[in-house]
Amino acid sequence: DGGITQSPKYLFRKEGQNVTLSCEQNLNHDAMYWYRQDPGQGLRLIYYSQIVNDFQKGDIAEGYSVSREKKESFPLTVTSAQKNPTAFYLCASSTEYSNQPQHFGDGTRLSIL
Amino acid sequence: AQSVTQLGSHVSVSEGALVLLRCNYSSSVPPYLFWYVQYPNQGLQLLLKYTTGATLVKGINGFEAEFKKSETSFHLTKPSAHMSDAAEYFCAVSAITQGGSEKLVFGKGTKLTVNP
Repeated sequence: DGGITQSPKYLFRKEGQNVTLSCEQNLNHDAMYWYRQDPGQGLRLIYYSQIVNDFQKGDIAEGYSVSREKKESFPLTVTSAQKNPTAFYLCASSTEYSNQPQHFGDGTRLSIL
Repeated sequence: AQSVTQLGSHVSVSEGALVLLRCNYSSSVPPYLFWYVQYPNQGLQLLLKYTTGATLVKGINGFEAEFKKSETSFHLTKPSAHMSDAAEYFCAVSAITQGGSEKLVFGKGTKLTVNP
């Protein structure tokens, strides 16, 4: 079945540590997205990529970095510069057409040790 | 800039009662609108979408929504609530980024509780 796989499901970060969240899709979608979800805040866009080797900052990119070396993969690194990283992180993908929905993975919950 | 307002962060209904979740949007262009559902510790699942054409849109699990341009609304309804409908619901509108790309703008969500 086609879909989006996020790993790990739970992740713990120590102070001063960078951590990387994995996102892989086999839907042959060009566009991929990373969102942060906090209770009562809805989803906020961190980074997005419309094509391989290209990505743009979303609304809350500070303290995060991404890469898009392959169409299928869009990993997110939460750097030590992100002072409040505890959240639920969701990856999504879509076709290039804005009238088509985004498909979501099951998320990674990041906590601070 | 496009935005979405969901009225009521929490809605509680009895099993068998009507479900009404409210969504208002602002958009300078004809919008594409979406409703998603999220169960605890899971990703978002598409319920339904409006792009063009018929303004009453039917989705999965018995949900439907009506696009009302004059009211800039896209409220989600279900005639009879089921216990399995308890979840968080998000309304979203398609928007254009500063770089000219497409993105989704989400409302803050409405958590639906269904009482037996």
